[in-house]
Amino acid sequence: AQSVTQPDIHITVSEGASLELRCNYSYGATPYLFWYVQSPGQGLQLLLKYFSGDTLVQGIKGFEAEFKRSQSSFNLRKPSVHWSDAAEYFCAVGPTGGGNKLTFGTGTQLKVEL
Amino acid sequence: EAQVTQNPRYLITVTGKKLTVTCSQNMNHEYMSWYRQDPGLGLRQIYYSMNVEVTDKGDVPEGYKVSRKEKRNFPLILESPSPNQTSLYFCASSLRGLLTNEKLFFGSGTQLSVL
Repeated sequence: AQSVTQPDIHITVSEGASLELRCNYSYGATPYLFWYVQSPGQGLQLLLKYFSGDTLVQGIKGFEAEFKRSQSSFNLRKPSVHWSDAAEYFCAVGPTGGGNKLTFGTGTQLKVEL
Repeated sequence: EAQVTQNPRYLITVTGKKLTVTCSQNMNHEYMSWYRQDPGLGLRQIYYSMNVEVTDKGDVPEGYKVSRKEKRNFPLILESPSPNQTSLYFCASSLRGLLTNEKLFFGSGTQLSVL
């Protein structure tokens, strides 16, 4: 069965420091991979997505992610974190459930220290 | 503005009192879905709809109903809510479904508390 693992429940970084959020997936074929961000009291906003082609994907707000098939990973990175990046981040893989849903990880809560 | 609108944002109710959470999208999307978000569990799909009058169960459909009488609306119905349905609920939509490489647009969420 398809699954997504985000091993870090909470991460704290200092403003200006680099960030890497981990995501590992299990999927029987070439996956579609997504990173979503959820700010407090808000819905989920798509940061970036990978479908095919270049394995380094650029997203909004200065984020990027790299698809590594050999490691079944799709880690999210940002060179310099801003205080406004504090939020919860979800990795997702799809389509699953016969093409009808995304399977989400359990999320990583990012705290940014000033 | 393209958006998915859920109402209400917050709802407190008591066990057994029927309620409906509304979801509407203005993008002419065919695919709509409901997820619930619980701490440590991520988002889990409740129901989805591929088009008008076409609905199907997701991973956690027990205790929920949906309908899709119009393309833009996809209400979530709890006929007899129970405390284990206390959760944050999200409606999402996409143009033609996830096999077409399209992203999901999410509503702002409905925080439901069942006492």
